Amino acid sequence: QKEVEQDPGPLSVPEGAIVSLNCTYSNSAFQYFMWYRQYSRKGPELLMYTYSSGNKEDGRFTAQVDKSSKYISLFIRDSQPSDSATYLCAMSAPQGGSEKLVFGKGTKLTVNP
Amino acid sequence: GAGVSQSPSNKVTEKGKDVELRCDPISGHTALYWYRQSLGQGLEFLIYFQGNSAPDKSGLPSDRFSAERTGGSVSTLTIQRTQQEDSAVYLCASRQTGGSQPQHFGDGTRLSIL
Repeated sequence: QKEVEQDPGPLSVPEGAIVSLNCTYSNSAFQYFMWYRQYSRKGPELLMYTYSSGNKEDGRFTAQVDKSSKYISLFIRDSQPSDSATYLCAMSAPQGGSEKLVFGKGTKLTVNP
Repeated sequence: GAGVSQSPSNKVTEKGKDVELRCDPISGHTALYWYRQSLGQGLEFLIYFQGNSAPDKSGLPSDRFSAERTGGSVSTLTIQRTQQEDSAVYLCASRQTGGSQPQHFGDGTRLSIL
């Protein structure tokens, strides 16, 4: 079992839809949780960063963390064609300062106009 | 510059050759990371620098891979005697230390081994 599991999709939705992306993890030492967006031939771009259970909202994006279930989610409201990208969940543990990231394999999202 | 800069953006080389990849982190970021992104494996950690030292090299796949950082800034990742399985995108990230700060990535070097 991989430390972080993420459904690779692909996911195709119409413009304006609500999108739900999810990851599960097995390592209870993970304390920091991130969502990155990656466009083709570009590096991952940080979207959301949280280190506590609960919800964090930023514009059309909401990140949700449930440490008891080892489950994180990203919701995108009023999705736009420009949201078409691969979404990567990532997490890290505070292990002596490294905080190296462990990634899910990414979900490819297409938002159709 | 404003972001993490990596060069070259693309590199094509023959099997058996050595390659050197460069990363210029965000100014003031003391922590620097190298990751590899391949189709089958996703994004995987290679090595972490704090300043010029590398306290975590656990992700380097073999002794053909090495990295160094000088002046607490620029880092180079060197792959010796390249193999076809080394073909991947090599990504560099940096972050501030002190507290819990997120990592910011460059656009990577796309390495193809013929």
